[in-house]
Amino acid sequence: SQQGEEDPQALSIQEGENATMNCSYKTSINNLQWYRQNSGRGLVHLILIRSNEREKHSGRLRVTLDTSKKSSSLLITASRAADTASYFCATDVTTDSWGKLQFGAGTQVVVTP
Amino acid sequence: EAGVAQSPRYKIIEKRQSVAFWCNPISGHATLYWYQQILGQGPKLLIQFQNNGVVDDSQLPKDRFSAERLKGVDSTLKIQPAKLEDSAVYLCASSSPLTGSETQYFGPGTRLLVL
Repeated sequence: SQQGEEDPQALSIQEGENATMNCSYKTSINNLQWYRQNSGRGLVHLILIRSNEREKHSGRLRVTLDTSKKSSSLLITASRAADTASYFCATDVTTDSWGKLQFGAGTQVVVTP
Repeated sequence: EAGVAQSPRYKIIEKRQSVAFWCNPISGHATLYWYQQILGQGPKLLIQFQNNGVVDDSQLPKDRFSAERLKGVDSTLKIQPAKLEDSAVYLCASSSPLTGSETQYFGPGTRLLVL
């Protein structure tokens, strides 16, 4: 079973609007990461938030983490057509090494001009 | 800096045939990962290498899948014999403690269709 589950599964918005997607997970984590995947391409790392952090910003991206609720959210502000992609959260739960990520099923975002 | 390279980009085979994928990670990255991504799902880790040693292969179907990373650089993933359910995109990723080990850099993937 997958560790992270994104919500919603799909999101359709217009350019200029904000897009929010959520991720819930089951076990304790070292960090949580968000990745973007454009159609037919590999994944691109967007942002990482550690278990002792609550909020992080990167350009138009804002990520929050609530470890008590085992959930995270990704906000994309002032969306653009180029933001059309699938967004995945991935949790790092490794204890004796690093980098073992467990991905959710993703949120498919469509931004229309 | 060159990214993660993978080949081929597409492959169509019949069931019971064998297939191999190749990955060249970012130069200097000690950790290499192979993921399987089935349509509509997130990537699932198949195997993780640290240099040329296996760190985790708990989700690799070892009866048909094999992977190696000779000399701790390039890696190949092989499926023999292939089944219909192996149709997926196979992603290779690499990371390095020097650049922040938590960030993984992905290649474009190999899209496999098994008929």
